[in-house]
Amino acid sequence: GAVVSQHPSWVICKSGTSVKIECRSLDFQATTMFWYRQFPKQSLMLMATSNEGSKATYEQGVEKDKFLINHASLTLSTLTVTSAHPEDSSFYICSARDRAAYEQYFGPGTRLTVT
Amino acid sequence: QQQVKQSPQSLIVQKGGISIINCAYENTAFDYFPWYQQFPGKGPALLIAIRPDVSEKKEGRFTISFNKSAKQFSLHIMDSQPGDSATYFCAAINRAFTGGGNKLTFGTGTQLKVEL
Repeated sequence: GAVVSQHPSWVICKSGTSVKIECRSLDFQATTMFWYRQFPKQSLMLMATSNEGSKATYEQGVEKDKFLINHASLTLSTLTVTSAHPEDSSFYICSARDRAAYEQYFGPGTRLTVT
Repeated sequence: QQQVKQSPQSLIVQKGGISIINCAYENTAFDYFPWYQQFPGKGPALLIAIRPDVSEKKEGRFTISFNKSAKQFSLHIMDSQPGDSATYFCAAINRAFTGGGNKLTFGTGTQLKVEL
C-alpha cells in the first residue's frame, strides 16, 4: 500500500528557533502534498497545498513567511516553522496524493513542542 | 457550502454493538466521500470511501450508506470491537475541481469508544 513518512515524529525546540519537518511518499509519486495542523480533539486544519516545482498555496490566515513549504521533488515536501513560538506547538500532519491514482494518504504526524 | 457536518461528537458502544456515525453536506459538486480512522498520536488512515452513484459500500465490518437526495452519508461499524476505539472523520471532495488542489473537506470528527 501507499506509505507516507514524516520525520521527525516529535521535536522539541526553543522559542525563536526554526524547525523543519519532512514528508516523503515512499512508494509512489505525489504531485500534490498537503500540510495540516491538528489541535487536541479537533479536526484537521489544512494549512497549505504543495505542488511539485511550484509555490505552495496557503489557506487563509496561515502565515506563509512563518510556515515555509518546499516541494522539491515528487516524493518530498518540507515544512519549516520559522521563529517558532509556544503557540505553534501542535500536531502537524502531511498527506500526499498519488499521481497515478486519486487517493490521498496521510503521514503519521509530527508532534512539535516549542518551549 | 463547503462544510461537512458530522455527528455525534462522541459515541460509546458496547462490544459487539453497531456504531453509527452520520455526516451531511451541502455542496452537490462533491463526488467522493472517504472516511478516515485516527488513533491518538497517529495520522488518519483511509478506512473506506464511496462515490455518489453507489448507495452502499461494504468492506468487512465497515459499511458506508449514501443518500444522495438527502445529501447524507453514514458509517456503520458492525460487531464493534475495543480495537475500533478511535476518532473517525468523514470527508468530501470534488475530484474534478482543478482549482485549489482538490482539497478534502473534513467533518469535525467522532470519538468512538467501544466498551467491553
